[in-house]
Amino acid sequence: QKEVEQNSGPLSVPEGAIASLNCTYSDRVSQSFFWYRQYSGKSPELIMSIYSNGDKEDGRFTAQLNKASQYVSLLIRDSQPSDSATYLCAADHLPGTASKLTFGTGTRLQVTL
Amino acid sequence: GAGVSQSPSNKVTEKGKDVELRCDPISGHTALYWYRQSLGQGLEFLIYFQGNSAPDKSGLPSDRFSAERTGGSVSTLTIQRTQQEDSAVYLCASSPPSYETQYFGPGTRLLVL
Repeated sequence: QKEVEQNSGPLSVPEGAIASLNCTYSDRVSQSFFWYRQYSGKSPELIMSIYSNGDKEDGRFTAQLNKASQYVSLLIRDSQPSDSATYLCAADHLPGTASKLTFGTGTRLQVTL
Repeated sequence: GAGVSQSPSNKVTEKGKDVELRCDPISGHTALYWYRQSLGQGLEFLIYFQGNSAPDKSGLPSDRFSAERTGGSVSTLTIQRTQQEDSAVYLCASSPPSYETQYFGPGTRLLVL
């Protein structure tokens, strides 16, 4: 069983809709969670980090964490074609750090016109 | 400021040859990571350097893989006697002392024929 699991997609949403990306993790000691965006042929870049249960909002992005259910999600409001990319979920055992990340395989998002 | 740089950007080699991949982290970043990403897959952790501590080599897939980091800065990943299954994108990342995130380089695309 992979430590961090994501649906590979593609997840297709129309422009302007909300995209919901989900991630589950198996290791209960995981403390810190990260969402990276990776455009095709490019390297990953950090979108959001979340360390506590609940929601964290940054512009059009909202990360949600539920440690009891071992579930992390990323919501993208008002999706734009430029949001089309692969979104990688990552977890770290230490609180508030990205010192040793375990990555999921990513979910490919397609935002259609 | 300058980001993480990697060289070469692309490398084609023949099976059985040795290859060296280079990573220049962001100045002042104390942690350096190597990952491997095969086509359509997530990031596979290879090795992690933190300051002067012994590196965490737990992700290296075989003894054909080795890495060093000289002077706490530049790192070289060496793959000896390359195999076709070594074909992948090799990504380097670095973190500042706060470890708030990992910053990725553009990667080296390795193709073993």
